Amino acid sequence: TQLLEQSPQFLSIQEGENLTVYCNSSSVFSSLQWYRQEPGEGPVLLVTVVTGGEVKKLKRLTFQFGDARKDSSLHITAAQPGDTGLYLCAFDSSGSARQLTFGSGTQLTVLP
Amino acid sequence: ETGVTQSPTHLIKTRGQQVTLRCSSQSGHNTVSWYQQALGQGPQFIFQYYREEENGRGNFPPRFSGLQFPNYSSELNVNALELDDSALYLCASSSRDRSYNEQFFGPGTRLTVL
Repeated sequence: TQLLEQSPQFLSIQEGENLTVYCNSSSVFSSLQWYRQEPGEGPVLLVTVVTGGEVKKLKRLTFQFGDARKDSSLHITAAQPGDTGLYLCAFDSSGSARQLTFGSGTQLTVLP
Repeated sequence: ETGVTQSPTHLIKTRGQQVTLRCSSQSGHNTVSWYQQALGQGPQFIFQYYREEENGRGNFPPRFSGLQFPNYSSELNVNALELDDSALYLCASSSRDRSYNEQFFGPGTRLTVL
């Protein structure tokens, strides 16, 4: 069974601080996705990483896919209160259903 | 371009009742997936519909069933509701024509079972 472990589970920081959240597995993935979910909303896709060692940037967010394609990280620079939310990583089963399997998420709170 | 919509937003039912949740997929998408999200957890895959047929199922009992219509909209039905069915139910639409399985989620239906 492929599982995604996310850490930390909870993170509370002050505005302006930097942070990194992690998504780890013992399995190799063809691709990995990161989503952010705000209260009362569905998850919103932030990025898909595909190539081992790949780094993608989305404004203050930097996503990295591990060289062995087993893990990924999300780094936020100078966090803002608007970054508050549940950050989820997910992999594509690539089977006939192409279902997404999610980690349990990191709940980030950025305090003003 | 219209995004994914779900109805109702909130729903309260009692144990043993039945519920139907609805989802309209994003324009141009032909696949609908349903997920259950318990509080503080990531979404869990229930099933997926493509061309009006179930195209994969997660670890959920048969009392969870669904439909997809010719316009790609979908319904999730849950019979004999249990307390543990209380959760946020998310619908996601996607296109099987794309290389990567990028799914677009609706805002969800919050189901409370008393």
